[in-house]
Amino acid sequence: EVQLVESGGGLVQPGGSLRLSCVASGFTLSSYAMHWVRQAPGKGLESVSVISSNGDSTYYANSVKGRFTISRDNLKNTLYLQMGSLRLEDLAVYYCARADFWSGPIRDPWGQGTLVTVSS
Amino acid sequence: QTVVTQEPSFSVSPGGTVTLTCGLSSGSVSTSYYPSWYQQTPGQAPRTLIYSTNTRSSGVPDRFSGSILGNKAALTITGAQADDESDYYCVLYMGSGIGVFGGGTKLTVL
Repeated sequence: EVQLVESGGGLVQPGGSLRLSCVASGFTLSSYAMHWVRQAPGKGLESVSVISSNGDSTYYANSVKGRFTISRDNLKNTLYLQMGSLRLEDLAVYYCARADFWSGPIRDPWGQGTLVTVSS
Repeated sequence: QTVVTQEPSFSVSPGGTVTLTCGLSSGSVSTSYYPSWYQQTPGQAPRTLIYSTNTRSSGVPDRFSGSILGNKAALTITGAQADDESDYYCVLYMGSGIGVFGGGTKLTVL
């Protein structure tokens, strides 16, 4: 079964750091660009970051640029999101998802999401 | 700044047909933006319905279809069912790598 499973969410204070992971199974991660998308409570979906299949290219939303770093380990079939200088407005469910190519559309599956709570 | 526009809400009767649209604050939506549609019910992860304008994702019923209508992308649901009541998000992929999400349309079936 093709699946993405996120982990690493939790409660963190403003200014703190957190690393999210997304483990892929049922397919070869190295064949796909990978995305992080988030959703604040009661709000819509927002693109956070994308990384190319080999990791050479990355892009960040303005809201997280300079604070978040996307990376991947294709040998471990795992995608990461290192989150730093966290703000209250980063509180959200974070989803990982795949795309066939850079700038291509996100396809199924999506992960089930992991909740990041930023609070003092 | 690119803004993707969607109707905030829409209502359809069971068995009816509804067309949701996805536009740009400036300019027209083209197939080169790979317009895609995602469905989300409360508390659930999103599900890909349509990608690259009109390609249905695996397992999506053929009563969901995508197209370009005028200067917008469109998602048409034919024969709406109660479990189609969801939030629908349009996304345009405009070359930066990430997609630009619309604000979503809350569809009510009643």
